[in-house]
Amino acid sequence: DGGITQSPKYLFRKEGQNVTLSCEQNLNHDAMYWYRQDPGQGLRLIYYSQIVNDFQKGDIAEGYSVSREKKESFPLTVTSAQKNPTAFYLCASSIPGGYQPQHFGDGTRLSIL
Amino acid sequence: DAKTTQPNSMESNEEEPVHLPCNHSTISGTDYIHWYRQLPSQGPEYVIHGLTSNVNNRMASLAIAEDRKSSTLILHRATLRDAAVYYCILRDVEGTASKLTFGTGTRLQVTL
Repeated sequence: DGGITQSPKYLFRKEGQNVTLSCEQNLNHDAMYWYRQDPGQGLRLIYYSQIVNDFQKGDIAEGYSVSREKKESFPLTVTSAQKNPTAFYLCASSIPGGYQPQHFGDGTRLSIL
Repeated sequence: DAKTTQPNSMESNEEEPVHLPCNHSTISGTDYIHWYRQLPSQGPEYVIHGLTSNVNNRMASLAIAEDRKSSTLILHRATLRDAAVYYCILRDVEGTASKLTFGTGTRLQVTL
């Protein structure tokens, strides 16, 4: 079945450590997205990519970095510069087009040790 | 981005229809109305979207007011598996890879 796979499901970060969240899709979608969700809140966009080797900052990009070397993969690195990284991270993909639905993975929950 | 307003929570009995309202009085002519839902500890799931006409799919129906300033998501027979947070979102049809702007949504509780 086609879909989006995020790993790991749970991740713990030590102070000063960078961690990378994986997102892989086999839907052949050009566009991919990373969102952050805090408890009881909606989603906020971190980064998005419309095509391989290209990506743009979203609303809360500070402290995060991404790469898009392959169409299927869009990993997110949470750097030590992100002072409040504890959250639920969601990856999505879509066919390009403002009205196209986005398909989401099941998320990675990141906590600070 | 144009804003949407939804009730914080609603309750329904199982096997009864549910009407989830959404107000979007500042909607523009190029905004599609999208609905997503999110079950606990899962990513959001696309439900339905429309522009002007009412829409039906296997999950739900979307009724759009004639002036497009409000819409209603209709679940024809609620089940316990429909208990989730439902988000009403506007998306500009002229955008390319555009973000989804999520509010806090409506938490639907379904009881036996």
